Amino acid sequence: ETGVTQTPRHLVMGMTNKKSLKCEQHLGHNAMYWYKQSAKKPLELMFVYSLEERVENNSVPSRFSPECPNSSHLFLHLHTLQPEDSALYLCASSPWTGGPKNSPLHFGNGTRLTVT
Amino acid sequence: SQQGEEDPQALSIQEGENATMNCSYKTSINNLQWYRQNSGRGLVHLILIRSNEREKHSGRLRVTLDTSKKSSSLLITASRAADTASYFCATVPNQAGTALIFGKGTTLSVSS
Repeated sequence: ETGVTQTPRHLVMGMTNKKSLKCEQHLGHNAMYWYKQSAKKPLELMFVYSLEERVENNSVPSRFSPECPNSSHLFLHLHTLQPEDSALYLCASSPWTGGPKNSPLHFGNGTRLTVT
Repeated sequence: SQQGEEDPQALSIQEGENATMNCSYKTSINNLQWYRQNSGRGLVHLILIRSNEREKHSGRLRVTLDTSKKSSSLLITASRAADTASYFCATVPNQAGTALIFGKGTTLSVSS
């Protein structure tokens, strides 16, 4: 496998639900990322964490709330989502020696989210 | 904002043929990376080429970079059915920020 594990693989939720996506990496990396992949759109960077501190927030709506309790785990808490938030949510990790300026990203297999 | 743009959007070839995908980008870059994504899976890194490099090889993959034209190409030689996937270029712009910015990808179908 990739060394980056995402759970659940599939999630269906109503607009009033609260759910969380989980990501765990076993690569010893200290930077973690959330990307959103929608049909016919480029991957969109949502959040970047380095050494458990958020270093980038790409104008993401507040209904998405990230949490990085340690360098191996990353969560994305979801509440009051909209149908247009349905997408594949991908987690990635990398060493933090300049992030992707020096190292490629390692992706998990994603969580397919459907908002009904 | 979108930085890289792949061309063509879709490509269908026979096994054994070569596949060439192109990527154009807008701003100066630190490096350019190519990734592959099989259906329903995450992205897998293929090659990273730095702005001071012109060509890189990895197995059946050959990547070129022309910073004067702001373009890159990915060549897969002697393609196999297992190469069927979407291929994305991603750039790290030189300006401040940590983003790896992806294009929309090229969908490659290799039939046997």
